[in-house]
Amino acid sequence: GDSVTQMEGPVTLSEEAFLTINCTYTATGYPSLFWYVQYPGEGLQLLLKATKADDKGSNKGFEATYRKETTSFHLEKGSVQVSDSAVYFCALGSSGGSYIPTFGRGTSLIVHP
Amino acid sequence: DTGVSQDPRHKITKRGQNVTFRCDPISEHNRLYWYRQTLGQGPEFLTYFQNEAQLEKSRLLSDRFSAERPKGSFSTLEIQRTEQGDSAMYLCASNGGTGYEQYFGPGTRLTVT
Repeated sequence: GDSVTQMEGPVTLSEEAFLTINCTYTATGYPSLFWYVQYPGEGLQLLLKATKADDKGSNKGFEATYRKETTSFHLEKGSVQVSDSAVYFCALGSSGGSYIPTFGRGTSLIVHP
Repeated sequence: DTGVSQDPRHKITKRGQNVTFRCDPISEHNRLYWYRQTLGQGPEFLTYFQNEAQLEKSRLLSDRFSAERPKGSFSTLEIQRTEQGDSAMYLCASNGGTGYEQYFGPGTRLTVT
């Protein structure tokens, strides 16, 4: 079945550092890929998405490129802020038509001033 | 568009009691999902509806859990005879059309004492 593997956290960075959170997936077909962000006590928010190979999703300075050859969708940001501290979830939309997504376990990001 | 809303935001109940949560999705979305999330984990799929039809239910879901979406708009999730292991955040999400991105509500945090 479909699966998503994220790097374990927490990832701890200083403000303005470069961020990478790794995500790899296993799926049949060609699923859409997503990153969601969750702030404490809140639900998940869609951060960015990519629907086909080589697409780059971007939002709020975050980027991720759909790499079919390495089955990866790594999240990057050039300069993180304290306000980026949150949990980030990689997810794939089902390629089998059932509309049930698969989520990774999440990676906690802590940014220090 | 006010987004997905959930009520209540917090619920404390004693073991053995029944609880019911409500979710109001984005109005034009025909698919509605329920997830459970525990600390340090990603959302765990429970069930989903397309309009008023419950199309899938997790095989891991106890018979104590039931969900309805009577008119294809709001949905309720009921847990009967709650157990301490039911303590978690219960998330609702919706989407529509052919996309797989999910729009989440703020969640209901359940504590069973």
